[in-house]
Amino acid sequence: KAGVTQTPRYLIKTRGQQVTLSCSPISGHRSVSWYQQTPGQGLQFLFEYFSETQRNKGNFPGRFSGRQFSNSRSEMNVSTLELGDSALYLCATSRGEGAVEAFFGQGTRLTVV
Amino acid sequence: GDSVTQMEGPVTLSEEAFLTINCTYTATGYPSLFWYVQYPGEGLQLLLKATKADDKGSNKGFEATYRKETTSFHLEKGSVQVSDSAVYFCALSDRTDYKLSFGAGTTVTVRA
Repeated sequence: KAGVTQTPRYLIKTRGQQVTLSCSPISGHRSVSWYQQTPGQGLQFLFEYFSETQRNKGNFPGRFSGRQFSNSRSEMNVSTLELGDSALYLCATSRGEGAVEAFFGQGTRLTVV
Repeated sequence: GDSVTQMEGPVTLSEEAFLTINCTYTATGYPSLFWYVQYPGEGLQLLLKATKADDKGSNKGFEATYRKETTSFHLEKGSVQVSDSAVYFCALSDRTDYKLSFGAGTTVTVRA
């Protein structure tokens, strides 16, 4: 059974640019969540989608957005990148509908220069 | 809001030593509790979970018991190996806000 796939694995962008990250969930998983991991702030929740609907959003500026497609794949977008957006972005998926555990991808390492 | 506090690291041990990482939580509801492990350059892997009071999660020699009275979920392993070197995260989910709340992580290094 294939795991959670995140693409790309590594990304270097310049301040002011925008970036789109992709997450393909485990087959049958309909819930997709995104987290930002930094040395200073640790793991912080960005947003969660289920059946193309955002059910919760973390405390991040509007520059951070996401969406989910009908096949449960999800993308997140960061516009007007800042140096502080450099982080490991992790996607986690679960069956949803009361499922307990979430499974994580390997993450996308974003570096903003 | 929900929060998780776990033992600060780093923790350095010799092979075959006993490992314990303390984790306490604050939650308004009745959460599920998890331990995740992260190896260098990787995402998070679910190590074990517990969904109700007195449940014991176990996997790969690691154990943790959901203690509602002390709001704790301490991770233990009786005999660590070099391959257990990683960062360990305690987390909770209250199942109503569709997110995990994580502790700060504890870096464990096991020396041969």
